Amino acid sequence: EDQVTQSPEALRLQEGESSSLNCSYTVSGLRGLFWYRQDPGKGPEFLFTLYSAGEEKEKERLKATLTKKESFLHITAPKPEDSATYLCAVQSSNYGQNFVFGPGTRLSVLP
Amino acid sequence: EADIYQTPRYLVIGTGKKITLECSQTMGHDKMYWYQQDPGMELHLIHYSYGVNSTEKGDLSSESTVSRIRTEHFPLTLESARPSHTSQYLCASSESHTEAFFGQGTRLTVV
Repeated sequence: EDQVTQSPEALRLQEGESSSLNCSYTVSGLRGLFWYRQDPGKGPEFLFTLYSAGEEKEKERLKATLTKKESFLHITAPKPEDSATYLCAVQSSNYGQNFVFGPGTRLSVLP
Repeated sequence: EADIYQTPRYLVIGTGKKITLECSQTMGHDKMYWYQQDPGMELHLIHYSYGVNSTEKGDLSSESTVSRIRTEHFPLTLESARPSHTSQYLCASSESHTEAFFGQGTRLTVV
């Protein structure tokens, strides 16, 4: 059975304090790993797709990386507007076209 | 930018009423999904569709039903709403093996 875990559950950073969020996965035949940002009361907003180990994607202060067992979302010099819940999801050959989501990491960036 | 729309955004309804939550996308995606999410909790897949006239139940048991008569439209219906149905309902769509795009969600409260 495909599983996705995320750590830490919650993270508080000072503005400008860089850090990383972790997404660990156990799947048979990874087809894609996806990062989303979700603000309270809203739908998840797509950030990145990673397909193979070694792949990296960047967008503004965010950088996502992928290994064979986990993905990291690096946040460089975060700002208060980066505060949100960050979700990781996978697609695998086990699960067809469906997505398995992790529980998320709640990030708070303090001014 | 994702073109997937959910209506209504908020709904307060009495027990026993029939309700339909609307979801439409203009991206021509074959795959569509309904997720249920309680505040601060994980997303749970309740229904999905891989194309017109194709619908399946997801991992989380739900008393709701769905239909997919047109590619762009994937409504979710509750025949008789109960307080236990109070939650946020999120609709998403995707192409094969690519990221899913989410609507803004419907916050349902059954009183």
